[in-house]
Amino acid sequence: QVQLHESGPGLVRPSETLSLTCTVSGYSISSGYYWAWIRQPPGKGLEWIGTVLQSGTTYNNPSLKSRLTISVDTSKNQFSLKLRSVTAADTAVYFCARDPTLSWFDPWGQGTLVTVSS
Amino acid sequence: EVVLTQSPGTLSLSPGERATLSCRASQSLDSTYLAWYQQKPGQAPRLLIYGASSRATGIPDRFSGSGSGTDFTLTISRLEPEDFAVYYCQQYGSSPRTFGQGTKVEIK
Repeated sequence: QVQLHESGPGLVRPSETLSLTCTVSGYSISSGYYWAWIRQPPGKGLEWIGTVLQSGTTYNNPSLKSRLTISVDTSKNQFSLKLRSVTAADTAVYFCARDPTLSWFDPWGQGTLVTVSS
Repeated sequence: EVVLTQSPGTLSLSPGERATLSCRASQSLDSTYLAWYQQKPGQAPRLLIYGASSRATGIPDRFSGSGSGTDFTLTISRLEPEDFAVYYCQQYGSSPRTFGQGTKVEIK
């Protein structure tokens, strides 16, 4: 059974870089599938951030592309998100999820709240 | 970017009743590239339906999806207490993938 778990700082200062890691258990990332980041501002809807393949190929939301880096570390069975120059608008619960075929997302991690504030 | 509009915003129903949720796309999706999710407070979304009408693993058959092109529907045939939640549609026919704003199904 595949499980995902997000980790990283819960508070980031404006203009700094938000960094999160998703650890996958129950499945080897190097075996395939795509892996995604999705976020949800408090009380609002969902936004796809980007997706990475085990090879390192990425697919990013154009709205975030200039600030975004998604990478994968198959040796640790993890993939990561870095979002630069954050503002209060980047405050959200960040989820990682499996992205089977660049399609739907299943399963999801529990999510982690990241607040951007000084 | 494909905009998904869900209606109604809130649906007030009683357990045992039928729920019909709508998702309309701003442009026709390739084939039936639409998914539905359920989200309860403090939890991650859970995949219910993919391919517009295929139930995900472990999803009860009271959940069904239909539609194609621009108009899609999620139907819950008889609401159980655990079904009261927020439901989101998501399209994957066009990049970037986008979600609807959600429909809240609340207890009447």
